[in-house]
Amino acid sequence: TQLLEQSPQFLSIQEGENLTVYCNSSSVFSSLQWYRQEPGEGPVLLVTVVTGGEVKKLKRLTFQFGDARKDSSLHITAAQPGDTGLYLCAGAPSNDMRFGAGTRLTVKP
Amino acid sequence: EAGVAQSPRYKIIEKRQSVAFWCNPISGHATLYWYQQILGQGPKLLIQFQNNGVVDDSQLPKDRFSAERLKGVDSTLKIQPAKLEDSAVYLCASSSQGGRPSNTQYFGPGTRLTVL
Repeated sequence: TQLLEQSPQFLSIQEGENLTVYCNSSSVFSSLQWYRQEPGEGPVLLVTVVTGGEVKKLKRLTFQFGDARKDSSLHITAAQPGDTGLYLCAGAPSNDMRFGAGTRLTVKP
Repeated sequence: EAGVAQSPRYKIIEKRQSVAFWCNPISGHATLYWYQQILGQGPKLLIQFQNNGVVDDSQLPKDRFSAERLKGVDSTLKIQPAKLEDSAVYLCASSSQGGRPSNTQYFGPGTRLTVL
């Protein structure tokens, strides 16, 4: 089993729709990171959440860290085709970074 | 600022052959990481360097994989001999700070390896 479970695995929506993807674990993390990876490229860091209950906004993206620091969510408002990609959450329960398997998002025009 | 450079971008080899990947991190970044990303999975850390010393190589299959970072700048990752299950994208990342996991890592575009 993965240390970080991401759901859904795949998501295909129309432009303008809202969506939420989740990252869950039974472990506590001092911080969690969200990355977006486009085909043929490496992951790019979107945000780091550090405090339990923290909410961070990045334009149309809203990130939340669970109160118990075991889970996180990413909400996208009015999705656009440019949001298409693989969304990965990552955290380090010890000293090495662990990634979830990701949610592959497709936004159709 | 130039990003993390990796070469080659693609490599196709037959099983039992050897292969090497090269990474040039962002200038001045002390910490360098190699990850393996198998199709449908997230990246898995293989090895982490701080300057030219190894910080963590607990998930590196040392019977066939080796990595070095001479002079604390460029790095090479080698597989010898390759197996079918080594087919994956190999990502290199670098970080400017002390290598704490929460520090921002900048990834290169990766090398896609296919083992036939």
